[in-house]
Amino acid sequence: EAEVAQSPRYKITEKSQAVAFWCDPISGHATLYWYRQILGQGPELLVQFQDESVVDDSQLPKDRFSAERLKGVDSTLKIQPAELGDSAMYLCASSLAPGMAEAFFGQGTRLTVV
Amino acid sequence: DQQVKQNSPSLSVQEGRISILNCDYTNSMFDYFLWYKKYPAEGPTFLISISSIKDKNEDGRFTVFLNKSAKHLSLHIVPSQPGDSAVYFCAAWASGSARQLTFGSGTQLTVLP
Repeated sequence: EAEVAQSPRYKITEKSQAVAFWCDPISGHATLYWYRQILGQGPELLVQFQDESVVDDSQLPKDRFSAERLKGVDSTLKIQPAELGDSAMYLCASSLAPGMAEAFFGQGTRLTVV
Repeated sequence: DQQVKQNSPSLSVQEGRISILNCDYTNSMFDYFLWYKKYPAEGPTFLISISSIKDKNEDGRFTVFLNKSAKHLSLHIVPSQPGDSAVYFCAAWASGSARQLTFGSGTQLTVLP
């Protein structure tokens, strides 16, 4: 069964260090999302791609976060430098087209900043 | 400003009984609603959805009801099973310019054997 792949599953990093997460969406899915989920809250959108273009990054803290999807397939989310408040689950999701609400999520990367 | 609210952080029900999870929204532009289920250490998985042109959608043991005038939706699980124990997120979608899912904070459902 097709699924969204994310790596690593878990990451522990010291504050002020750089960290990167990788996501490979379901094959053929043009829309890719990065969400952040803090414990006890729902996922919050960080950035949305349509193919290789950023559609919405209004909630991405651009002073330290960056995201790219160079070939319109897999994507990388980077944090530099990491802060204690960045500790969260980072979820990647994809959908077939921008007009389709149903998004399929990966297993996420649990980030702990110490 | 939470546009999608799940006011019950947790719910416990007995196996075989009905589970009712509630969700309220404030944005009138939302026209499509989804429920996701999340187990620990996994990503959310899509469960069921409903368009704003309907007031009910059923899929097996899961039924979602939408009351547009009250801006309220609910997920009914009948009968509840221990494997249903998970966090349930309500999400809303506006098909206009802001095509993104807005999630509630989730409800932890525990089904007791």
